[in-house]
Amino acid sequence: AQTVTQSQPEMSVQEAETVTLSCTYDTSENNYYLFWYKQPPSRQMILVIRQEAYKQQNATENRFSVNFQKAAKSFSLKISDSQLGDTAMYFCVVTNTNAGKSTFGDGTTLTVKP
Amino acid sequence: NAGVMQNPRHLVRRRGQEARLRCSPMKGHSHVYWYRQLPEEGLKFMVYLQKENIIDESGMPKERFSAEFPKEGPSILRIQQVVRGDSAAYFCASSPQGRGPSYNSPLHFGNGTRLTVT
Repeated sequence: AQTVTQSQPEMSVQEAETVTLSCTYDTSENNYYLFWYKQPPSRQMILVIRQEAYKQQNATENRFSVNFQKAAKSFSLKISDSQLGDTAMYFCVVTNTNAGKSTFGDGTTLTVKP
Repeated sequence: NAGVMQNPRHLVRRRGQEARLRCSPMKGHSHVYWYRQLPEEGLKFMVYLQKENIIDESGMPKERFSAEFPKEGPSILRIQQVVRGDSAAYFCASSPQGRGPSYNSPLHFGNGTRLTVT
């Protein structure tokens, strides 16, 4: 069984500043994938960034980057130069490559303040 | 290049009625996943289907819920005799033919169906 824990239900950040969202997980698999999705008020699920568990190098996608610590089973998301459009609920996701099933955390609601 | 299409967007049912939620995967995708999202919570896995086959239904309640993905047509999530606790947003996602979600082929989500049971 997989579990994903996001310990910060809500966070806020000033526009243009940097914020880090935490995520820890537990899985018995050796090979898996990690994702961050955002869900704005429109309710659409949007892929933000992805990471393969066997790769040590942290993924980066423009203003979004991750700090992946495999031994600690930690996968935090850093948003630099926060923008008002970043306001959304953010979900950390672990996907089991064998079963094809994804496990979601309960989400962190991020508010970017002007 | 249509994405995952779900309909209806909103569905209101009285207690005891049936709810039918439809999902058409992205073109070329033959794997479909259904998730349920309760207010202020993350998405909870319900069922994973390929064409004409249920691969994993471990997250789906044993009673009143069923899912299918026929050879032709959309995937259907059916909830019989709905109760107020079924009120939630139901999301469908798909991934390409031949494999489940992966780094290069993450889940593509529809916009969800919000079910309200009165």
